Amino acid sequence: DQQVKQNSPSLSVQEGRISILNCDYTNSMFDYFLWYKKYPAEGPTFLISISSIKDKNEDGRFTVFLNKSAKHLSLHIVPSQPGDSAVYFCAASRTGTASKLTFGTGTRLQVTL
Amino acid sequence: DAGVTQSPTHLIKTRGQQVTLRCSPKSGHDTVSWYQQALGQGPQFIFQYYEEEERQRGNFPDRFSGHQFPNYSSELNVNALLLGDSALYLCASSLGDGWSNPKNIQYFGAGTRLSVL
Repeated sequence: DQQVKQNSPSLSVQEGRISILNCDYTNSMFDYFLWYKKYPAEGPTFLISISSIKDKNEDGRFTVFLNKSAKHLSLHIVPSQPGDSAVYFCAASRTGTASKLTFGTGTRLQVTL
Repeated sequence: DAGVTQSPTHLIKTRGQQVTLRCSPKSGHDTVSWYQQALGQGPQFIFQYYEEEERQRGNFPDRFSGHQFPNYSSELNVNALLLGDSALYLCASSLGDGWSNPKNIQYFGAGTRLSVL
């Protein structure tokens, strides 16, 4: 049972444009959502997070949007840079079990020149 | 400031053998969680150790066990290895067990790649 889904395995975007990565979840008990970025041969690196009491969180070029009614979140990267090329994982947790992250299968982002 | 370190980086075992993976958490962190990442999948939660006890567990059989030491480092043991145990094993550390603070960011190591032949 895949509780967190990333339906796009890959995405290619030109440098300078906006990258939009999507994530859907099915468990309504999730109340905290995170995005991690992973380069080859490295562990996932925390990027940005959002609590279910918010619908938007921004950090520099990265913005995460949460639509609780649709059980959908998205990560926007503006402008996209070649160094952003990596695999992006969406993850979710719920109060009381915060260390138990449930991950999606990841989206490979390629930013081209 | 040392991040999360895992050893070894690669390991090859045969079916039925036992394996031990090691993890040192980021400085100042007291909680260690282990994840299994199969090829093409996202990491799956195995278990979490806090105050030297297993506090949470994912859907993994008892063949998967662990330990946390007084210095907060941790081991993951897998007995009776199966071909399906071949994966990247990730260790993540954080501060606190996350029960009261959902904004408990986990920091990951680079992982141990286990191949079972």
